[in-house]
Amino acid sequence: SQQGEEDPQALSIQEGENATMNCSYKTSINNLQWYRQNSGRGLVHLILIRSNEREKHSGRLRVTLDTSKKSSSLLITASRAADTASYFCATANQGGKLIFGQGTELSVKP
Amino acid sequence: DTEVTQTPKHLVMGMTNKKSLKCEQHMGHRAMYWYKQKAKKPPELMFVYSYEKLSINESVPSRFSPECPNSSLLNLHLHALQPEDSALYLCASSQGGRGRTGANVLTFGAGSRLTVL
Repeated sequence: SQQGEEDPQALSIQEGENATMNCSYKTSINNLQWYRQNSGRGLVHLILIRSNEREKHSGRLRVTLDTSKKSSSLLITASRAADTASYFCATANQGGKLIFGQGTELSVKP
Repeated sequence: DTEVTQTPKHLVMGMTNKKSLKCEQHMGHRAMYWYKQKAKKPPELMFVYSYEKLSINESVPSRFSPECPNSSLLNLHLHALQPEDSALYLCASSQGGRGRTGANVLTFGAGSRLTVL
């Protein structure tokens, strides 16, 4: 079964607002990654957080990881219409598999 | 070159056809992956090649046959597919094989959209 579960499944916000997506997983991990996918296209890696890290920033992105709760969140600040996409968390285990969560469909309205 | 190139972009085939999807990267990555993605679903792992050897097969039906001719190329041979195999097939690569923390950040191609009639 898929490792990560995400919520919300869909999120609609206005430009300039912040967007928060959450991801939960089931087993131990080496790292957790977030990817973005524009409709019908390939995925693009956004950010990686290791299992011994709690928070990481990259531009307008902020990722947190709570290994005790097996959960992560992705915050996009000051959203733009161009941020409209699907966002997936993915967990990597020792075996080298990268397994994706169900994804959050983000719509940012101008 | 930081791209993964997939061809063809679109493929329509009948259930008796034999076709292939191709994937190429020139980033020196030693791991390559095939994922299958249905509409509004996450990518599902199919195969992983590490150093040109098949390291993971996620119990994929034998009508899908992967091939890694060299470290830059990955093929997916298709034969006797079913309509439910219609999906977006994504190729990806990463720096190293399994067991290397942080080495499995994936670079994806744009995908091949397959329709089986």
